[in-house]
This record gives sequence, C-alpha cells and structure tokens, in this order.
Amino acid sequence: DQQVKQNSPSLSVQEGRISILNCDYTNSMFDYFLWYKKYPAEGPTFLISISSIKDKNEDGRFTVFLNKSAKHLSLHIVPSQPGDSAVYFCAVPRGTPLVFGKGTRLSVIA
Amino acid sequence: NAGVMQNPRHLVRRRGQEARLRCSPMKGHSHVYWYRQLPEEGLKFMVYLQKENIIDESGMPKERFSAEFPKEGPSILRIQQVVRGDSAAYFCASSRGGTGDEQYFGPGTRLTVT
Repeated sequence: DQQVKQNSPSLSVQEGRISILNCDYTNSMFDYFLWYKKYPAEGPTFLISISSIKDKNEDGRFTVFLNKSAKHLSLHIVPSQPGDSAVYFCAVPRGTPLVFGKGTRLSVIA
Repeated sequence: NAGVMQNPRHLVRRRGQEARLRCSPMKGHSHVYWYRQLPEEGLKFMVYLQKENIIDESGMPKERFSAEFPKEGPSILRIQQVVRGDSAAYFCASSRGGTGDEQYFGPGTRLTVT
C-alpha cells in the first residue's frame, strides 16, 4: 500500500527547459511534504518542502506546488541544468519516520 | 563540520554470515534513523533510535535484524544470518530533535550477499 506514489520512473529534459516531477499521495491528513535529491553513491539531500497551508513554495530554480484536492504535488525546476541530473524522491513524515516515493530519475541533456 | 558518517561503504557477505553497519550521526544530533533501499524502490524506514533507546522499530523485520545506539559510539545495525534478499543500500539519517526536525542522511552502506 503505497502512500506516496511517483508514477514516472524517469524523465529526460533538455538543458534550459523546465523539469516537472510529480507525486501523488493517498492520505488527506498529510500536512507536510518534502523533496529529496539523490546522486549515485550518496545519501539523499533535502531540497525543498511545503506545508499544507500553502499551495506553492519557491526556492531559486525550484518550486513545489501542492494541490490538496487532487492529493498531488509537483516539483518544477527551471531552467534545468546538467547538474540537476539525479533521482528525486518526494516524502512525507509519518510521525518521525519519513515515507518515500520510489523516485524519479531526471536526466538533463546538454 | 562532518556530516553523517557510515561505514563500511560497501560490504560483501556470504549467506549465513553476519553484517554490521555503523552510523555516526552529525555532531549535536541524538536521533538516528535507519532506512533500507531495495533496487528500484524508494527508501523504507526500518528503525528510529535515541541514545540507548529504540523509539520505533515498526519497519524492522522481526527476525535477524537488530539495532542499537549506545551512550558512546556509533549506532549499529546488525543483520544475522544474511540472505540474498538482504542485499540493499542501507542509509542512516540523524536529526537534532525528533518529530519535525530535518533528517540528514549519510552516504549509505551497500550490502551485497553472495
């Protein structure tokens, strides 16, 4: 029973264009959402988060949008850069542990 | 200002052997979490510890797996009598406080069972 779903295992985007990574969740009680970025042979690093009292949070090139009625969030990266190539996980806290989606592998092509 | 340290980075064990994975949290962090990532999967929570206490082990398999976080020294995840299905990347994270505090992840230990 996946509580957090990332239905696209991979995404390829041209450098300079927008990358949009999607995440769906099942529990309407979730009130805080995080995005992590992971390079090969490294641990995940926190990227950006959003609280359910907002529908948008922006940090530089990264913006996360939350649609509570659809139980959907998305991460926009614009403009995309080759260094953004990584696996991106959305996650929600369930108490203290984090519940992660399966991730989306983003490849930014120069 | 070292981050979360894990060792070894790679560990190869034969079926039936024991695996010991170590995690040193960031300085000032007293909360440690272990996650496991199977191939093509997301990270799955295993266990949450504070110094000398297991707070939540709801994600830990009931047999062969144990974890500790002693008063002194690193946190240890121990897997006895390893099987091929234990092959995975094991990540440790630490936080200063508990619920709501950001978790910082180590680089992981990749366990291969032959």
